[in-house]
Amino acid sequence: DTVLTQSPALAVSPGERVTISCRASESVSTLMHWYQQKPGQQPKLLIYKASNLASGVPARFSGSGSGTDFTFTIDPVEADDIATYYCHQSWNSPTFGAGTKLELK
Amino acid sequence: QVQLKESGPGLVQPSQTLSLTCTVSGFSLTSYHVSWVRQPPGKGLEWMGVIWTGGSTAYNSLLKSRLSISRDISKSQVFLKMNSLQTEDTATYYCAREEGLYNSGYFDYWGQGVMVTVSS
Repeated sequence: DTVLTQSPALAVSPGERVTISCRASESVSTLMHWYQQKPGQQPKLLIYKASNLASGVPARFSGSGSGTDFTFTIDPVEADDIATYYCHQSWNSPTFGAGTKLELK
Repeated sequence: QVQLKESGPGLVQPSQTLSLTCTVSGFSLTSYHVSWVRQPPGKGLEWMGVIWTGGSTAYNSLLKSRLSISRDISKSQVFLKMNSLQTEDTATYYCAREEGLYNSGYFDYWGQGVMVTVSS
């Protein structure tokens, strides 16, 4: 199975720019997607196919990458963005990264 | 609007079989795939399996021997059955809609999830 390695927990302040990385153990082309999950809630799709903004998602969120290296950016961060972010590949049998917990400084 | 809702028992005894139902609305099971994803308490997400628009299925290799996914199109329901449950199967179980036309594989809508505890 394709292993996805995400950057560890990050502490941010509102107004800052934050970038989360996700590295795949093999190429997944651009079939990488990003979700936000807040405590007690289901995941929410933010970015699909590496760089496409899901419907209704603010333009503060963006994604890039292809092959094995992907990044997810929030610019600027708002207090409501505090959550755990997961990358997910669908090139082969779907797998998720372990999640990056965004915390307030 | 698009909705998915999971239902099933909150408590299952070890070695027993888990049966969950995902009832969908706002879309057809012949146009979108539906996957099951689970999340143990405090841990990450694990894809379990999918039923595709044509009715065929695929499973996580680690769960394949215990897992079965089926559907009833007329009732807009997708079913999950997993046998030989152990405590490590304690998790919140989600069903999620997957884009079906281009097979891009992303989950654009999720149910609220159902918490299942495996305990005697």
